[in-house]
Amino acid sequence: AQSVSQHNHHVILSEAASLELGCNYSYGGTVNLFWYVQYPGQHLQLLLKYFSGDPLVKGIKGFEAEFIKSKFSFNLRKPSVQWSDTAEYFCAVNAPGNTGKLIFGQGTTLQVKP
Amino acid sequence: NAGVTQTPKFQVLKTGQSMTLQCAQDMNHEYMSWYRQDPGMGLRLIHYSVGAGITDQGEVPNGYNVSRSTTEDFPLRLLSAAPSQTSVYFCASSYSTSAHAEAFFGQGTRLTVV
Repeated sequence: AQSVSQHNHHVILSEAASLELGCNYSYGGTVNLFWYVQYPGQHLQLLLKYFSGDPLVKGIKGFEAEFIKSKFSFNLRKPSVQWSDTAEYFCAVNAPGNTGKLIFGQGTTLQVKP
Repeated sequence: NAGVTQTPKFQVLKTGQSMTLQCAQDMNHEYMSWYRQDPGMGLRLIHYSVGAGITDQGEVPNGYNVSRSTTEDFPLRLLSAAPSQTSVYFCASSYSTSAHAEAFFGQGTRLTVV
């Protein structure tokens, strides 16, 4: 079965530090990849997505992610985090076939210290 | 724009009670789904619907029922609540079942079963 794995469960950074959150998926075929963010007390929001083309995808709030097919990875990056980036981050992949189903990773909690 | 609206936001149930979590979207989205979010496990798909009158099981369907009589509404019913169903529940919708379609999430319902 298809799965998504996020390596870091809890990350603590100081403001201005660089961020990289790991995400690996198991499916070998064509994939569509997403990063969602959940700010405290809020619903999930889309940060960025990859369908095809340039493997370096830019999203909102200065986030970007790189799709590396050979490594089955879609890591999320930000050069300089802010206190307002404190949130939980989820990597997700569309299940095979046009079912609309998303398979989520376990999530990574990011805490940014001011 | 209302987007995806879930009610209630919080609920406490006694073991064995039944209840319905409501979900409505005003975006004329074809696809709707229910997830539960548990610490360290990300979001897991309970049930989903690819259109009015069509529903199917996700990863963790046991103990839950759904129906989709209209495009707008997708209620989730707990038949006989159990402590293992204590979780945060999210409803999501997307405009199609295409793998490219972004999912929009409701604010969530925090359910505690005692």
